[in-house]
Amino acid sequence: DADVTQTPRNRITKTGKRIMLECSQTKGHDRMYWYRQDPGLGLRLIYYSFDVKDINKGEISDGYSVSRQAQAKFSLSLESAIPNQTALYFCATSDPSSSITDTQYFGPGTRLTVL
Amino acid sequence: AQSVTQLGSHVSVSEGALVLLRCNYSSSVPPYLFWYVQYPNQGLQLLLKYTSAATLVKGINGFEAEFKKSETSFHLTKPSAHMSDAAEYFCAVSDRGSARQLTFGSGTQLTVLP
Repeated sequence: DADVTQTPRNRITKTGKRIMLECSQTKGHDRMYWYRQDPGLGLRLIYYSFDVKDINKGEISDGYSVSRQAQAKFSLSLESAIPNQTALYFCATSDPSSSITDTQYFGPGTRLTVL
Repeated sequence: AQSVTQLGSHVSVSEGALVLLRCNYSSSVPPYLFWYVQYPNQGLQLLLKYTSAATLVKGINGFEAEFKKSETSFHLTKPSAHMSDAAEYFCAVSDRGSARQLTFGSGTQLTVLP
């Protein structure tokens, strides 16, 4: 089974709809991240969480919110989706206490289309 | 602020030829540097990382990268390309502070020609 899972894998929605993307991990890592990927722009950080009570904005947090329900779960919400939020979204985890410091482990991604 | 520039959004090589993917970074402090690979319809996978030990870093699948402080570069190489190397490659930089956020380059799509 995959260590970092994302649901759904694909989603098509309409402008103005609320949508939630979910991420779960079995790696036991404290740190979790949400990125979006756009062609030619690489990955940009939306939000990150160092533990359940520590959530931080990333480079492009406007229009997004997150919830860290447990160490293993980190959800990304779009309260009112707009077309320019069409992108590939990745969740990642890391464990800074391990010998492989700073390595982030990525989920398979969620492809979101906002019409 | 730190940043990463990947020269060449698309690189094509013949099977068996040298692969060279370029990455230059900007950072106010000595950084950690990473190369990630993304195969079609998959998430990113770590190829290798530099954390101030040896300047020549060996990764998976025969890839390696050399940290050159004087050139602020961390180019990725592989002596002989294989068809299975076709993917998108991302260079990333992380600061050494408590946040340790990754800043990614825009990516290089590698095509391997038969």
